[in-house]
Amino acid sequence: EAQVTQNPRYLITVTGKKLTVTCSQNMNHEYMSWYRQDPGLGLRQIYYSMNVEVTDKGDVPEGYKVSRKEKRNFPLILESPSPNQTSLYFCASSGRTTYQETQYFGPGTRLLVL
Amino acid sequence: GNSVTQMEGPVTLSEEAFLTINCTYTATGYPSLFWYVQYPGEGLQLLLKATKADDKGSNKGFEATYRKETTSFHLEKGSVQVSDSAVYFCALKRGGSEKLVFGKGTKLTVNP
Repeated sequence: EAQVTQNPRYLITVTGKKLTVTCSQNMNHEYMSWYRQDPGLGLRQIYYSMNVEVTDKGDVPEGYKVSRKEKRNFPLILESPSPNQTSLYFCASSGRTTYQETQYFGPGTRLLVL
Repeated sequence: GNSVTQMEGPVTLSEEAFLTINCTYTATGYPSLFWYVQYPGEGLQLLLKATKADDKGSNKGFEATYRKETTSFHLEKGSVQVSDSAVYFCALKRGGSEKLVFGKGTKLTVNP
């Protein structure tokens, strides 16, 4: 079954404590992306990756890092989380050769930073 | 720049009512247009899409037509069900890019 998985699904942490949210896809997609969803703002792109070792900033990259060492994985790293990073995070992937042009989304990670 | 504007919600309807959620866009070139749906507690799922002017996307009784002259992609359904209660997002993607630009979302509640 084609899917994008994220872990953890829920996370409560404190300001300044480094954390990583993992994302993995099993569709051999080149493109992966992270979004955050906030009430009244919709989804905004944080970072994206066009392929292994190729990453770039999205619209709201401040306070986040990513890496793409393997095609299937695209972790999101918060080196020093702050309360304004409390949000719902989604990972997505799509394939350049996919005729359908569809992006597949993970189930989301709800993060609370105290 | 590229942007998507959706009608603000929330929208509350009775079962079997007609649904319209307006979506207009601003983009250079010829973007692809999408509607995504987010059911409570879940991630986003593609509902329908259209890749060129006058295309009609349809799925699960929902329809949307790519109108280049009015830069619109309004979502419609003739008879909504309680199970359609969700948040609906309109989005665009420019040709040559994988980046999705989303509207702010419209929450729909359908009452029995």
